Amino acid sequence: AQSVSQHNHHVILSEAASLELGCNYSYGGTVNLFWYVQYPGQHLQLLLKYFSGDPLVKGIKGFEAEFIKSKFSFNLRKPSVQWSDTAEYFCAVNAGNAGNMLTFGGGTRLMVKP
Amino acid sequence: EAQVTQNPRYLITVTGKKLTVTCSQNMNHEYMSWYRQDPGLGLRQIYYSMNVEVTDKGDVPEGYKVSRKEKRNFPLILESPSPNQTSLYFCASSLSLGQNPYNEQFFGPGTRLTVL
Repeated sequence: AQSVSQHNHHVILSEAASLELGCNYSYGGTVNLFWYVQYPGQHLQLLLKYFSGDPLVKGIKGFEAEFIKSKFSFNLRKPSVQWSDTAEYFCAVNAGNAGNMLTFGGGTRLMVKP
Repeated sequence: EAQVTQNPRYLITVTGKKLTVTCSQNMNHEYMSWYRQDPGLGLRQIYYSMNVEVTDKGDVPEGYKVSRKEKRNFPLILESPSPNQTSLYFCASSLSLGQNPYNEQFFGPGTRLTVL
């Protein structure tokens, strides 16, 4: 069965700092990869997704992620975070043999200090 | 407005008292799914439905039931809730199954359930 690991459970940054959140998955075949964000008290929203093509994908709010197939990784980055980026971030994987099923990582809680 | 709605948003109940959490979507999506979110575990899929009258177990189906009598509705039923089902529950929907292209899942606002 596929699994997704997010190694940073809690991250605290100051405004304008750069952000990188790690995501690794365990499936060896074709995958679709996602990052979702959950702002306090709200539902999940899609930040960005990778299906194929350019491994560097850009999402909303200045976020980007890089798919590195050899490392089974899909790390999320943002050059300069803002206080409004305080949220929980989830990496998710849809594997080639899993239909529409998404497997989520455990989440990373980001706090940005003003 | 295209959306997934859940009711209730908050529920406190006692062990053994049957409850239903409703989920409805207005996007004519074939696929619907229920997840539970627990700290450090992310979201885990409980049940999913590929279309009307077609449901299947996800990763953590024990203690839950679902039904899909209509395309727009996908209620989650806890016949005899227990404290370990205290969690935040999300319903999601998307267009039909498909690897190419994958169809984005849209999430509801969540239902916070506490079982005493």
